[in-house]
Amino acid sequence: ETGVTQSPTHLIKTRGQQVTLRCSSQSGHNTVSWYQQALGQGPQFIFQYYREEENGRGNFPPRFSGLQFPNYSSELNVNALELDDSALYLCASSLEHTGELFFGEGSRLTVL
Amino acid sequence: AQSVTQPDIHITVSEGASLELRCNYSYGATPYLFWYVQSPGQGLQLLLKYFSGDTLVQGIKGFEAEFKRSQSSFNLRKPSVHWSDAAEYFCAVGAGWEYGNKLVFGAGTILRVKS
Repeated sequence: ETGVTQSPTHLIKTRGQQVTLRCSSQSGHNTVSWYQQALGQGPQFIFQYYREEENGRGNFPPRFSGLQFPNYSSELNVNALELDDSALYLCASSLEHTGELFFGEGSRLTVL
Repeated sequence: AQSVTQPDIHITVSEGASLELRCNYSYGATPYLFWYVQSPGQGLQLLLKYFSGDTLVQGIKGFEAEFKRSQSSFNLRKPSVHWSDAAEYFCAVGAGWEYGNKLVFGAGTILRVKS
């Protein structure tokens, strides 16, 4: 059974740029969620995708957007990067109608 | 709105000693409750979960947690800590699929184990 995989593991961007992070869900899982974990804090919910549509969103501005593909993999896009966007971005997959999330190891984004 | 409080930022215990990590939550209905562990530079690993039923739940690595509705608590316990348990522990509350499956996490408790 393949777990949740994320890429890239680390990246550095400058303020104003755009970034795309990728996530492959665990085998058999059809739902993907994204979380932002700033240094020294707990993860915060960005949004969830199910059947290629957004199915719940946290308190993040529209410059945070996502996609889910027919194979259930997902992308997180962040436009107009700000310094405060520096964080570990975690992807989690799950089966519909279950509350249990399985997390990847994250993509660490540094914005300079 | 859901919220989670982990009152202890850091805890240090001796190897072999017992451990209890505190978690208090706020949620109007029956919550889904979770404990996750995160080692440095790693993602989150699920230790255990409570959805319904028996209020004492067993997890991996010898951990257990008890749901106490009257105290809005879900404390994590382990009878004998090993050096490999040193990590950061997060308590989380979820509202379930109907509410977007969103988890709200506490700020975490860093566990240090001294030999």
